[in-house]
Amino acid sequence: KQEVTQIPAALSVPEGENLVLNCSFTDSAIYNLQWFRQDPGKGLTSLLLIQSSQREQTSGRLNASLDKSSGRSTLYIAASQPGDSATYLCAVDDGSGNTGKLIFGQGTTLQVKP
Amino acid sequence: GVTQSPTHLIKTRGQQVTLRCSSQSGHNTVSWYQQALGQGPQFIFQYYREEENGRGNFPPRFSGLQFPNDSSELNVNALELDDSALYLCASSFTGTDGYTFGSGTRLTVV
Repeated sequence: KQEVTQIPAALSVPEGENLVLNCSFTDSAIYNLQWFRQDPGKGLTSLLLIQSSQREQTSGRLNASLDKSSGRSTLYIAASQPGDSATYLCAVDDGSGNTGKLIFGQGTTLQVKP
Repeated sequence: GVTQSPTHLIKTRGQQVTLRCSSQSGHNTVSWYQQALGQGPQFIFQYYREEENGRGNFPPRFSGLQFPNDSSELNVNALELDDSALYLCASSFTGTDGYTFGSGTRLTVV
């Protein structure tokens, strides 16, 4: 059974710091991995999608890496800003059935202090 | 994008509720997730071309429909207090391009 774990559960940093969020999964047979951002009480906003054949994806100040063999992904945020404060969720698509389903970690809640 | 209605809903234990979702145009897969406070979303079920294509660990009183016009709905019968959560709808084109989520419906059961 696929399990996804995110460490740390919460993180507080001063503005301008570079930071890394970690995601680990127990079964390397994944279809892809997606990082999401969630503001309090809101839906999920997709940040980056990494296909199983890829090693990393970049979007602006965000860079996500994927190491299937070790069951790990990291989300790197450069030059953090107060607007980055949110909960970050990683999810793996297990590729089951015709279209798979997402299995989520519990998230890392990030606070960036001005 | 993906739109969900209503945004908030309060129901009494034992009642039935229908939540609605409009998928992104062209997406033929819709999934529903339940997110309890402080937890990651949990997969409820998925519909692909109007047929159920997978179900998570949820009882049969959770049911759904997908319609040809990119709309879908989640029905929950005999509501329980533990059904209070944020319900998220997500759509995808066969999952290859990832999933796009709606803003969710906050259901409170009293």
